[in-house]
Amino acid sequence: DAGITQSPRHKVTETGTPVTLRCHQTENHRYMYWYRQDPGHGLRLIHYSYGVKDTDKGEVSDGYSVSRSKTEDFLLTLESATSSQTSVYFCAISGQGTYNEQFFGPGTRLTVL
Amino acid sequence: GDSVTQMEGPVTLSEEAFLTINCTYTATGYPSLFWYVQYPGEGLQLLLKATKADDKGSNKGFEATYRKETTSFHLEKGSVQVSDSAVYFCALSEDSSNTGKLIFGQGTTLQVKP
Repeated sequence: DAGITQSPRHKVTETGTPVTLRCHQTENHRYMYWYRQDPGHGLRLIHYSYGVKDTDKGEVSDGYSVSRSKTEDFLLTLESATSSQTSVYFCAISGQGTYNEQFFGPGTRLTVL
Repeated sequence: GDSVTQMEGPVTLSEEAFLTINCTYTATGYPSLFWYVQYPGEGLQLLLKATKADDKGSNKGFEATYRKETTSFHLEKGSVQVSDSAVYFCALSEDSSNTGKLIFGQGTTLQVKP
């Protein structure tokens, strides 16, 4: 299995509070991605990174920010959580781009009350 | 923009039945196509992929052929097992900039009964 972990695995928080999710990899892969999974929508890309300090927006980036200060860590921050951000969040990594598979972490279940 | 459409689920089959999960896509370029599988409580893992038209991806008895003329990438298996029960996602990588971003279909839940 690819060395990719997510923390925390479960979190319950209140509306309006900041939340940071962490993705950590031991594979030294260049690309990292944050997705959210919701019923009826599959997975949707939030943000991705193509190197240290190099990030870009995905399909559903509003309300989210990311940072990557080290190759192995990719942080997803909800500055002020809302109930619409209740979801399961997956991090993924890839060594190259288009033709290479992405390896997924185990997911973080976030509930915003 | 690019998109992926999968057949609605859930799909319920008896063990040893034939499986087809339909997937069609819309893309302006020449995407790579993927099937990912998600077992209960886990993240996604790659099942198979195809990178150009007429390629056939295969793994663990599953197959899918990249059909450019019908913009399809249907997943098939000749004889399903209870252990194949999972959610299956079709995805494309639409990518001229080589960032590997994936666009997923909504997922199809497969339940196989003994």
